[in-house]
Amino acid sequence: GENVEQHPSTLSVQEGDSAVIKCTYSDSASNYFPWYKQELGKRPQLIIDIRSNVGEKKDQRIAVTLNKTAKHFSLHITETQPEDSAVYFCAASRDDKIIFGKGTRLHILP
Amino acid sequence: GAGVSQSPSNKVTEKGKDVELRCDPISGHTALYWYRQRLGQGLEFLIYFQGNSAPDKSGLPSDRFSAERTGESVSTLTIQRTQQEDSAVYLCASSPGQGGEQYFGPGTRLTVT
Repeated sequence: GENVEQHPSTLSVQEGDSAVIKCTYSDSASNYFPWYKQELGKRPQLIIDIRSNVGEKKDQRIAVTLNKTAKHFSLHITETQPEDSAVYFCAASRDDKIIFGKGTRLHILP
Repeated sequence: GAGVSQSPSNKVTEKGKDVELRCDPISGHTALYWYRQRLGQGLEFLIYFQGNSAPDKSGLPSDRFSAERTGESVSTLTIQRTQQEDSAVYLCASSPGQGGEQYFGPGTRLTVT
């Protein structure tokens, strides 16, 4: 079955700097790669996603890149702000089943 | 419109008791998912439904766990003979199907004493 590895588990960056979170997946048939943000005590919410026919997608300060050959994808957050502090989960999906990474706790330092 | 709802929001039960958790998906969403999230941990896949069929039950931790879904509507996750290690937040999510954004419910926090 699919296995998703996510790194780092914890990341601290200065406000205004960039943050990068990386994930790898094992099933080459996976074709949908969402990223979810979970603030403390709240439910996960989708922030950006990418499908396997696209190599990069950007939405304001957030971008995701996908390397299908290497089976890895990354989340990039630029000009980080305090409200970016949260846990971020990557996921890989084939058909309807979605497997999540273990999450990255992002701290934005003042 | 209404989002995914779950009930109860909190449940405290004694070890050995059975519990039933309920999820009401967004109307029209064919896919429904159950996850377990232990404190400070990731999202552990349990089971998903496409309609009322469960193509993948591989995430259920043991035979004490079962789930069912009525048509493309309500789903219940049942845990029999609860153990302390079952304590977690149980999250339900629904999606329109065929791989796409999942909309999560607020979760049920289960505490087994």
